[in-house]
Parts: sequence; C-alpha cells; structure tokens
Amino acid sequence: DIQMTQSPSSLSASVGDRVTITCRASQSIRTYLNWYQQKPGKAPDLLIYGASSLQSGVPSRFSGSGSGTDFTLTIDSLQREDFATYYCLQSNSSPWTFGQGTKVEIK
Amino acid sequence: QVQLVQSGAEVKKPGASVKVSCKTSGYNFPGYYIHWVRQAPGQGLEWMGWINPNRGDTKYAQKFQGRVTMTTETSISTATLGLSRLSSDDTAVYYCARRAGTANLDYWGQGTRVTVSA
Repeated sequence: DIQMTQSPSSLSASVGDRVTITCRASQSIRTYLNWYQQKPGKAPDLLIYGASSLQSGVPSRFSGSGSGTDFTLTIDSLQREDFATYYCLQSNSSPWTFGQGTKVEIK
Repeated sequence: QVQLVQSGAEVKKPGASVKVSCKTSGYNFPGYYIHWVRQAPGQGLEWMGWINPNRGDTKYAQKFQGRVTMTTETSISTATLGLSRLSSDDTAVYYCARRAGTANLDYWGQGTRVTVSA
C-alpha cells in the first residue's frame, strides 16, 4: 500500500498569510494526488485534482504542485473561511490512501 | 445538479450489521464508480473501497475484506454499503463519493453516522 505522509499535522496562521502543506508518497504516484478541505461536521470538498488542477468554483488562492512523491498545497492570502482541515488523497493505485490531515487554525 | 443523499444515522450493538444507502441524482449513475470513505470521531479519512455500478465489480480495502459488501441498484441510482460484525472501532461517519474521470472524488454524500455501542 502507498503511504501518504502529510505535514504539518497542524499550524496556526493569520488572515492574509501564505500557507504551505506538503504530502509525501512512499512511492511514485505520478500526478494522481488530490487535495480536500473539510470543515467540522461536513463532507470533504475537492480543491485540487491531478496535483495541480483547480476544481471548478474553488478560489484561485489555492494552488497545488508536485509530481512523483512530493506534493504541495499552497493557500495564498489565507481567508477566514479557509480555517479547516486539509487532506491529501492518492488515487494512483488501490487502496487509495489519505494523508493524516493538517488542521489550519487561527493564530 | 449532482447530488448524493445518504440514509440516516444508525445505532448498532457489537456483532450486528449495518447498511448505509447513497441515493444519487443529476448524472448518469452507471457511468461513475462510487467510493466509500469513513471517518472515526476526531480522526482522519479512511478509504474503504469502490464499486463500479455498470458491471458491479468491487475493490475493497484489505482491512475490511470479509466484512464489507458494496452493492448498487441501477434502477434507482442507489449504492449501498454493508458492514458486518461491527465493533466499537466501526463507530464513524460513513461517506459515499462519486469518482470523477480525473481519478478524484468530486461529489460526496452528507455522511451517515454509525454508532456501535452495547
């Protein structure tokens, strides 16, 4: 199984900050990496698919990069509604696997 | 618009079985795999497996092999997750999600809370 190591597990940031979250795969997953945002009591929302493609309707301050084993989610100019937990998901091979999550909190 | 609407919360005793349904609308049901994901209280997301509504083939995570069953009823555009021999470790919110052609889960159900307690 492919292990996804996500870091950090949590971070504190202020509105307007730039935030970076990383995911590392235990083997190459090409660009089959997706990023999700989850708010308490809600289902996850797709932000980025294929490592760098922005899902329709998602603000352009979200971006993704990487290929192979190392991936990054960047949030430029953090907004209040961005405080949430973020997960990466590899869909290169079954079983699909999630990262452990990154909780973004208000500083 | 695409919608996935799941059945309501369940409370089960250890050793029992549960079924969670996921009724879809707004798209061609046979054309998209349905995946199931669960989330224990305060924990992360855990992938359980998928079903292809067109052919009925499935892929389950090893952890759930022998206890999980995923089915679909195309006539009513509904997918169902079954999980047997429940234990307290199965207490979680269970989500269905549609797999998009770009190998991601683009639409999700609202989640179904399953509580396993004696």
